[in-house]
Amino acid sequence: GAVVSQHPSRVICKSGTSVKIECRSLDFQATTMFWYRQFPKQSLMLMATSNEGSKATYEQGVEKDKFLINHASLTLSTLTVTSAHPEDSSFYICSARSRTGPQPQHFGDGTRLSIL
Amino acid sequence: GQNIDQPTEMTATEGAIVQINCTYQTSGFNGLFWYQQHAGEAPTFLSYNVLDGLEEKGRFSSFLSRSKGYSYLLLKELQMKDSASYLCAVRPNTDKLIFGTGTRLQVFP
Repeated sequence: GAVVSQHPSRVICKSGTSVKIECRSLDFQATTMFWYRQFPKQSLMLMATSNEGSKATYEQGVEKDKFLINHASLTLSTLTVTSAHPEDSSFYICSARSRTGPQPQHFGDGTRLSIL
Repeated sequence: GQNIDQPTEMTATEGAIVQINCTYQTSGFNGLFWYQQHAGEAPTFLSYNVLDGLEEKGRFSSFLSRSKGYSYLLLKELQMKDSASYLCAVRPNTDKLIFGTGTRLQVFP
């Protein structure tokens, strides 16, 4: 079946560092990908919708300059957390829109980001 | 606005049946989905409803009433491995998924 690969799975870094997370669709072309953030014991919150070849659409309250999204090819979207601070520590999950079957999106395994 | 509500936590006994409810108010409706998520892992797709009624899939069933903005996930013959969070999600248009608050289910022996 369709597989979405997310890398890295875990990042620990100092405050002020910029962190890049990659989301790849391995066996299908994904024109649309989604980025979510999940704080402990909370649900997934959609941050932005990433469209190949165009600017991402951000949800209300999400800082565009803080969370840079690039979707340069049909199989890769990246999320860069710029100048990360401890409050950015969270579980970040990407997904790709499915083209077949009842499942609407295929999820990556997530990235645990910890900012010290 | 978009609003999807679920109970925060539930407990049940191994072998029992549990029903997790979800109510929603969204700007549009193009399907309701249930996901299972173990701690630190990505969500796993369980079921999909777009028309009213019950969808059965092994030990899991999901029900939808669009007029009431209501769904439930029914888990039968509970096993210890069913301890997880269960997320209700609504697709208001063709692309986005809006997730509910999630229900943490703990199964006891």
